[in-house]
Amino acid sequence: AQRVTQPEKLLSVFKGAPVELKCNYSYSGSPELFWYVQYSRQRLQLLLRHISRESIKGFTADLNKGETSFHLKKPFAQEEDSAMYYCALMAGSQGNLIFGKGTKLSVKP
Amino acid sequence: KAGVTQTPRYLIKTRGQQVTLSCSPISGHRSVSWYQQTPGQGLQFLFEYFSETQRNKGNFPGRFSGRQFSNSRSEMNVSTLELGDSALYLCASSPDWGEQYFGPGTRLTVT
Repeated sequence: AQRVTQPEKLLSVFKGAPVELKCNYSYSGSPELFWYVQYSRQRLQLLLRHISRESIKGFTADLNKGETSFHLKKPFAQEEDSAMYYCALMAGSQGNLIFGKGTKLSVKP
Repeated sequence: KAGVTQTPRYLIKTRGQQVTLSCSPISGHRSVSWYQQTPGQGLQFLFEYFSETQRNKGNFPGRFSGRQFSNSRSEMNVSTLELGDSALYLCASSPDWGEQYFGPGTRLTVT
């Protein structure tokens, strides 16, 4: 079964500390993985797409097929990074996303 | 380009009624997907339409249906509403496959 697991519901770090949001997936084929972010009172928006290999707002994510993981990392967290983060999988030719339950990141001053 | 728009933004209905939600995708996008977001289940896929055809469907009962028009606008309908249908319903559009751009959602409350 296709599944995305985000083990942490809440992650709290201090400003300037490194942050890692974990994401593991279950899919037998070649997945396409995304990170979406939802800031307070804003719509869900795309943060990263694994095939683009970009760094957005200082965040990076590397696909590890061996560990079936796609963890999101940032070396120095900022208060404005506080938001809900969702890892999502697009499987095969299906045009839908399978979301994890999300991790709420809280960056304290 | 204007983003994905959804109407209405808020809706209160009574059990047993039906409801229709509307979504206007980004201009040029032909794929529209619908998701249900609840605190307990998170974001769950309902269905996806591409060029007026349902291309994919999630695990929801037949009370949930949708359609897409020739201008790519989409509607979803929920018949015989239940209390458990209270949720934020999100629409997302995509050029074809891949990145999805989300609307602000319609908050449905069933009483």
